[in-house]
Amino acid sequence: SQQGEEDPQALSIQEGENATMNCSYKTSINNLQWYRQNSGRGLVHLILIRSNEREKHSGRLRVTLDTSKKSSSLLITASRAADTASYFCATGLQETSGSRLTFGEGTQLTVNP
Amino acid sequence: EAGVTQFPSHSVIEKGQTVTLRCDPISGHDNLYWYRRVMGKEIKFLLHFVKESKQDESGMPNNRFLAERTGGTYSTLKVQPAELEDSGVYFCASSQDSGHRAREKLFFGSGTQLSVL
Repeated sequence: SQQGEEDPQALSIQEGENATMNCSYKTSINNLQWYRQNSGRGLVHLILIRSNEREKHSGRLRVTLDTSKKSSSLLITASRAADTASYFCATGLQETSGSRLTFGEGTQLTVNP
Repeated sequence: EAGVTQFPSHSVIEKGQTVTLRCDPISGHDNLYWYRRVMGKEIKFLLHFVKESKQDESGMPNNRFLAERTGGTYSTLKVQPAELEDSGVYFCASSQDSGHRAREKLFFGSGTQLSVL
């Protein structure tokens, strides 16, 4: 299996509901990031959480990180149709320069109006 | 501020042909990365430039792939000769190099959808 695995692979919810996506990884990390990709577009950085942090908020997004379980979750509250996209977690490893990221396969989120 | 731009957005070629993808990073971003996503699987790292130097090319699948970044500005990724398994979406990303934290956040282009028939 791959570093950075998202769960579930696909999620379909109604507008206004909360969406939770999970990510697991295998190696020690420096940080974990979540990206969103709308169909046919590039990946957009959403939020970064460092290995010494446990929870982080940004607007309707909440990210948690459990380094003992090597897992993270992304919660989108009060979802909107515009949140429909693929969501990827990516881990940044211990490096002295640059920021090579290791991605998972992504979760396809569909928010129905 | 212009984002990361990639050209072409789509390319359809036959097996054995050559294709060159181009990436223009955000102005001033010294770090430039190439990634690709094949068959809807995970997005995989290919290589990383710092200015014109290859910092890490461990993700390049084989010697049919050649990446350049002459002058430390735009980058090209050439596939020669292309094989069927090279089909996928090729993403370019860039980041600043002004400190560790600035390097962490990557800005991605929209990708090039490559189809090898």
